[in-house]
Amino acid sequence: TQLLEQSPQFLSIQEGENLTVYCNSSSVFSSLQWYRQEPGEGPVLLVTVVTGGEVKKLKRLTFQFGDARKDSSLHITAAQPGDTGLYLCAGLNTGTASKLTFGTGTRLQVTL
Amino acid sequence: DAEITQSPRHKITETGRQVTLACHQTWNHNNMFWYRQDLGHGLRLIHYSYGVQDTNKGEVSDGYSVSRSNTEDLPLTLESAASSQTSVYFCASSESRVGNTIYFGEGSWLTVV
Repeated sequence: TQLLEQSPQFLSIQEGENLTVYCNSSSVFSSLQWYRQEPGEGPVLLVTVVTGGEVKKLKRLTFQFGDARKDSSLHITAAQPGDTGLYLCAGLNTGTASKLTFGTGTRLQVTL
Repeated sequence: DAEITQSPRHKITETGRQVTLACHQTWNHNNMFWYRQDLGHGLRLIHYSYGVQDTNKGEVSDGYSVSRSNTEDLPLTLESAASSQTSVYFCASSESRVGNTIYFGEGSWLTVV
């Protein structure tokens, strides 16, 4: 079974601070996705990274896929209260037709 | 707009009862999935389907079953509910191509007492 470990599990920061969330595995994935989930809702896709070393930016969010395609990071610059939520990474392997392996999640709280 | 809906959103049931959670999507997606979400475990795959009459077991399939009689629906049945199945259940769907966006429903909160 492929496992994805996320760190930290919980993060409470003040508005304006920067943060990084890590997603690590001993397995190689063909691509990796990041989701954000708000209370009472299902996860919503933020980004998909597919190439080792790839960096994608989504406004204040920067996503990086490790060179070996075993790990990924999410960096948020100048966090805002609207960034509060559960962040999930999920790995995908070729041939598994969108069957994702999810990480354990990082719960982020951004306060004023 | 196309969507994916789950029902019921909340349910309390007794140990030993059969429970069915409904999932309906209007995107005409071939792929449909059921996950459960528990603290410390993230989302774990229960069952999935790549099309009508196709069903497959995920990593935590014991005690659950699904059927796919049409494209739109993938109901999840708990044959004999157990307290260990208290969880939040999410249905999801995607197009057939690998790497396509997966869309999740809003979740069904199930409590087994």
